[in-house]
Amino acid sequence: QVQLQQSGPGLVTPSQTLSLTCVISGDSVSTKTVSWNWIRQSPSRGLEWLGRTYYRSYWYNDNEPSFRGRLIIDADTSRNQFSLHLSSLTPEDTAVYYCARGVSVGATLLDSWGQGTQVIVSS
Amino acid sequence: EIVLTQSPATLSLSPGDGVTLSCRASHSVGNLLAWFQHRPGQAPRLLIYDASNRATGIPARFSGRGSGTDFSLTISGLEPEDFATYYCQQRSQWLTFGGGTKVEIK
Repeated sequence: QVQLQQSGPGLVTPSQTLSLTCVISGDSVSTKTVSWNWIRQSPSRGLEWLGRTYYRSYWYNDNEPSFRGRLIIDADTSRNQFSLHLSSLTPEDTAVYYCARGVSVGATLLDSWGQGTQVIVSS
Repeated sequence: EIVLTQSPATLSLSPGDGVTLSCRASHSVGNLLAWFQHRPGQAPRLLIYDASNRATGIPARFSGRGSGTDFSLTISGLEPEDFATYYCQQRSQWLTFGGGTKVEIK
């Protein structure tokens, strides 16, 4: 059974970059039939899918259009983990951030989730 | 963007009650709709995928139906651990979530 363990800061300064990591156990970040996703939840915006990375002989990324330009999701095969890097933070980025595995056709069925990381953007 | 609208926002029920939650999509998503259960402080839990298939380990009291734009999740006989917030999510065009229905104890 796959388990996802998240880590990262709980408080970030506006204009800075948020980096969160999701360590995978029970699967490989390089598995060719899955994707590795980031989702966030805030009271004002509800649940939002941010983007994903996946390996199909090459590494690919898909990001929700509104986050393009300031979101990078990458993978570290040596540590079997993937990470989110969200730049130019504003208080509107305050949310609980989740990592999740995507499976099934298109690797878009989110079947396993991390425990969540509360992130507050404030000076 | 496909918008998912869930209703009602909140339901106050008692253990043993049956309940049906609704999710309506702004455009057809075929059967590419999932339901999640979310308890405070926990990871969301996949209940139903592709509109009507129960995920591994999900009790039979949870059932889903629908296609196109109208979907429902039925819980037949609420257990104490079922009081939570339920979200629908489509994966036909990117991924979007509904606003959730909170099932609370009356």
